[in-house]
Amino acid sequence: SQTIHQWPATLVQPVGSPLSLECTVEGTSNPNLYWYRQAAGRGLQLLFYSVGIGQISSEVPQNLSASRPQDRQFILSSKKLLLSDSGFYLCAWSAPDRGAMGELFFGEGSRLTVL
Amino acid sequence: GQNIDQPTEMTATEGAIVQINCTYQTSGFNGLFWYQQHAGEAPTFLSYNVLDGLEEKGRFSSFLSRSKGYSYLLLKELQMKDSASYLCAVRDGEWGYSTLTFGKGTMLLVSP
Repeated sequence: SQTIHQWPATLVQPVGSPLSLECTVEGTSNPNLYWYRQAAGRGLQLLFYSVGIGQISSEVPQNLSASRPQDRQFILSSKKLLLSDSGFYLCAWSAPDRGAMGELFFGEGSRLTVL
Repeated sequence: GQNIDQPTEMTATEGAIVQINCTYQTSGFNGLFWYQQHAGEAPTFLSYNVLDGLEEKGRFSSFLSRSKGYSYLLLKELQMKDSASYLCAVRDGEWGYSTLTFGKGTMLLVSP
């Protein structure tokens, strides 16, 4: 069966510090991968998605970046965090062979607080 | 642009039936998803509709009217564990990696 894990689960970072969130998927090949952010009182906002190694599409211009160094690994990074980067970050995957029907499967989430 | 509207909060009593509505205006449409999200946890998939009509899955049912840009999630025989946020999401493109746009969620509180 397929599983998705992301870490760390919780982190508190000062403004201006770097960020690295990591997500891995097991039990499937060539998954579509996504990073979403959920800020307090707001809906899930798509940040990045990837359909293959090295292929990243950005939905929202900001100080965050994403990379996919391996087929089942997705990393969210920032060089300098802003207060507005606080939120609940969710990694997700979907099966490419399910096309438009493919539901997203989410990781456990990473709660980031920028002080 | 994409716009998905759903009520912010709803309350219901254990054992009752509740209907959570969702209206959408999107540039394309290739399916509507409902997710459940408990506080502090990740969303979990509930249902998918792409054709008009009702899809039933146990205590949960989801309805879609594409001409009206409208969907609802129906929860029967409510249980305390159903207290959660319910997210409506629309896929706007025909490919699996096309954007899945989420509403802000409806917080459902089930009381005894």
